[in-house]
Amino acid sequence: DAGVIQSPRHEVTEMGQEVTLRCKPISGHNSLFWYRQTMMRGLELLIYFNNNVPIDDSGMPEDRFSAKMPNASFSTLKIQPSEPRDSAVYFCASSLYGWNNEQFFGPGTRLTVL
Amino acid sequence: AQKITQTQPGMFVQEKEAVTLDCTYDTSDQSYGLFWYKQPSSGEMIFLIYQGSYDEQNATEGRYSLNFQKARKSANLVISASQLGDSAMYFCAMRAEGSSGGSNYKLTFGKGTLLTVNP
Repeated sequence: DAGVIQSPRHEVTEMGQEVTLRCKPISGHNSLFWYRQTMMRGLELLIYFNNNVPIDDSGMPEDRFSAKMPNASFSTLKIQPSEPRDSAVYFCASSLYGWNNEQFFGPGTRLTVL
Repeated sequence: AQKITQTQPGMFVQEKEAVTLDCTYDTSDQSYGLFWYKQPSSGEMIFLIYQGSYDEQNATEGRYSLNFQKARKSANLVISASQLGDSAMYFCAMRAEGSSGGSNYKLTFGKGTLLTVNP
């Protein structure tokens, strides 16, 4: 079975450019999560979707960040405009709905903003 | 709100020995799940083991077992017969049923423990 798929795996861009990260969750999973990982702040939940609906976006750092889930098999995280402090590894994870279900993580996108 | 504390920033173990990674948690919820993830240097997050708050037996998955002590609010990961490939960052995490009608199942992570297995 395919796991969570993320693209691109690596992204290098210049400050001010738009960045779009993509995620395909595991088929049948109805919860999707975007995380950011940095050395300083560890793993941070950015946004959580359930059945394609954003449930909690309190972790989105500012208006430059936006996320969409147009259907059950695709989600995007967009940063516009990007800044050097956005450099991090961004993970997408999916799970079945429920507090007792594990989240399966994608391989992550390593973003570098110059 | 949930909180996970991992007090060991780094741990060393000799190959083939067992090691325990500590995790304590804080929650006011009665229904919750505890998870351990492994993150090797390649960066991916790998799910290892799960323990539910109502589970009476400690969870086991191969060489991984979870020493769950509910009264002490601890969920320590035990790795038996350590291998060089076990060298990685290990994260403890929890999700709880919460009070928001069950609609917000955030996974709260600890800061992690870096395990190094020596040959």
